[in-house]
Amino acid sequence: GQSLEQPSEVTAVEGAIVQINCTYQTSGFYGLSWYQQHDGGAPTFLSYNALDGLEETGRFSSFLSRSDSYGYLLLQELQMKDSASYFCAVRFSSGSARQLTFGSGTQLTVLP
Amino acid sequence: ETGVTQSPTHLIKTRGQQVTLRCSSQSGHNTVSWYQQALGQGPQFIFQYYREEENGRGNFPPRFSGLQFPNYSSELNVNALELDDSALYLCASSLRAPNTEAFFGQGTRLTVV
Repeated sequence: GQSLEQPSEVTAVEGAIVQINCTYQTSGFYGLSWYQQHDGGAPTFLSYNALDGLEETGRFSSFLSRSDSYGYLLLQELQMKDSASYFCAVRFSSGSARQLTFGSGTQLTVLP
Repeated sequence: ETGVTQSPTHLIKTRGQQVTLRCSSQSGHNTVSWYQQALGQGPQFIFQYYREEENGRGNFPPRFSGLQFPNYSSELNVNALELDDSALYLCASSLRAPNTEAFFGQGTRLTVV
């Protein structure tokens, strides 16, 4: 099966930088995705890493090390609106299906 | 705005009843996946449909079933509802290629009483 671990809660102040780590175990691994979800909303795609290294999209960056089964999401210049749950999710193949398995999520609270 | 729409947005059902949830995929997406998200948890994979056939299934009992239609829209049916079925049900559409993102709808909040 698949398993992912990420911290349950992170707190930071506006303007700061925060890193959310994710470790995973899976077979048929394609890549690691990150999603943001505000209370009552849909998960929104943030980034995807299929290869080792850093992907940067504006204030958000994501990193993957396939050999370490590890990735992280880096959020810079934090804003109040970044307060949300962040999920890492592994993309993998199971038979003919390409699936996503999510972690339990990290609740980020941004303080003024 | 992802282009994935789900209906209804909220629903209250009684234990033992049956429910049907609906999802319209983003234009051009041929794969639909359904997830159950309990409060404070990550989405849990229920099943996936590709070209109108079930293409993968998570650890959910047979009373969870689905359909995909020729226009790629989809339904999730749950029979014999239990209290623990209360959750946010999310639909995600994507292309079948592995390195493409999935777009989620806003979800249906199901409450079983």
